[in-house]
Amino acid sequence: EPEVTQTPSHQVTQMGQEVILRCVPISNHLYFYWYRQILGQKVEFLVSFYNNEISEKSEIFDDQFSVERPDGSNFTLKIRSTKLEDSAMYFCASRATGEAQHFGDGTRLSIL
Amino acid sequence: GENVEQHPSTLSVQEGDSAVIKCTYSDSASNYFPWYKQELGKRPQLIIDIRSNVGEKKDQRIAVTLNKTAKHFSLHITETQPEDSAVYFCAAPHNNAGNMLTFGGGTRLMVKP
Repeated sequence: EPEVTQTPSHQVTQMGQEVILRCVPISNHLYFYWYRQILGQKVEFLVSFYNNEISEKSEIFDDQFSVERPDGSNFTLKIRSTKLEDSAMYFCASRATGEAQHFGDGTRLSIL
Repeated sequence: GENVEQHPSTLSVQEGDSAVIKCTYSDSASNYFPWYKQELGKRPQLIIDIRSNVGEKKDQRIAVTLNKTAKHFSLHITETQPEDSAVYFCAAPHNNAGNMLTFGGGTRLMVKP
């Protein structure tokens, strides 16, 4: 069964540094998402992406965040200047038209 | 926007018993309701979903019921097994295009052998 893949599985970064989280969505999916989950809390929506542009974003997704689909397969989340409170599990998800969202295994981001 | 409330936050049952988790949502236009299971340190995995044109859907030991009038939907797990132990999240879309999912707070289900 095809899966959403995310790299790295764990990223440790100094506060203030830039970080890029990478995702390869399922190949025939057209809708892409980033969510985050602070330890022990619920999954929170960050941004959705369709047809090469952001379709929706939450309050969490401020100017420090950006997304990109640099080629036909990758979907990245960049945090420009990381803060301690950015420490969380970041999940990428994708879906086909009319179908459910499928999640990747996540990247655990630790900001020191 | 959508607001999703989930209860209970923790649920402990004996193996073989049934478990029921309930969610309410605020946006009457929502028409799609997935349930995800998340084991410790792993991804949320879709276990069942329901669309608003039906009131109930079953898949082996798992069922979901939807009451559109009352704006609530429930997950039912029968004959629970220890491997059902996980955190379960309900979700509802922010809009009909389903561009974002608003998740409930999660229910930690513990099935005691």
